[in-house]
Amino acid sequence: AQSVAQPEDQVNVAEGNPLTVKCTYSVSGNPYLFWYVQYPNRGLQFLLKYITGDNLVKGSYGFEAEFNKSQTSFHLKKPSALVSDSALYFCAVRGYTGGFKTIFGAGTRLFVKA
Amino acid sequence: EAGVTQFPSHSVIEKGQTVTLRCDPISGHDNLYWYRRVMGKEIKFLLHFVKESKQDESGMPNNRFLAERTGGTYSTLKVQPAELEDSGVYFCASSQETGPYEQYFGPGTRLTVT
Repeated sequence: AQSVAQPEDQVNVAEGNPLTVKCTYSVSGNPYLFWYVQYPNRGLQFLLKYITGDNLVKGSYGFEAEFNKSQTSFHLKKPSALVSDSALYFCAVRGYTGGFKTIFGAGTRLFVKA
Repeated sequence: EAGVTQFPSHSVIEKGQTVTLRCDPISGHDNLYWYRRVMGKEIKFLLHFVKESKQDESGMPNNRFLAERTGGTYSTLKVQPAELEDSGVYFCASSQETGPYEQYFGPGTRLTVT
């Protein structure tokens, strides 16, 4: 069965510092991995995805994520956090199990302090 | 290009009542998905339409939930009769293709059953 784990409910980081939001997954076959961000009163917005190829994926707003097959992880990173990055982040995996279904993690709330 | 829209944004109903949620996907997107997030937990898949056909409805909790997509455009999700555990945020998403493609989410409908 497919699953996604985001082990941290909340991540706190100071503005200008690097940030990491963790995600591990379980899926049979090759995974398609996604990060989405949700700002207050808004829907989820796509940040980036890994399908195949280079393990380091670059996305919107300066975010990037590293696919690590041996550790089944897909951590979201940014070299220098901004206060405006404060939001709820969701990791998701999409795999074929008779149909394409996207499984989301529980979300990690990121607080960036000025 | 207009995004995915959902109506209403909020709904408060009493246990036993009926509620109908509506989703208008991005024009031209054949794939439409419904998800639900219960407070603080993961976003759970409910079902997937391809045009007007239900591709996968394995996430529908029980037969109190009925989703339709007549004509392959907008979709409705009816809950009848509503129970307390149905409370949560219902998200709709659409995508142009199936497979490893990002989905575009609506802002969600917050349903509270009292």
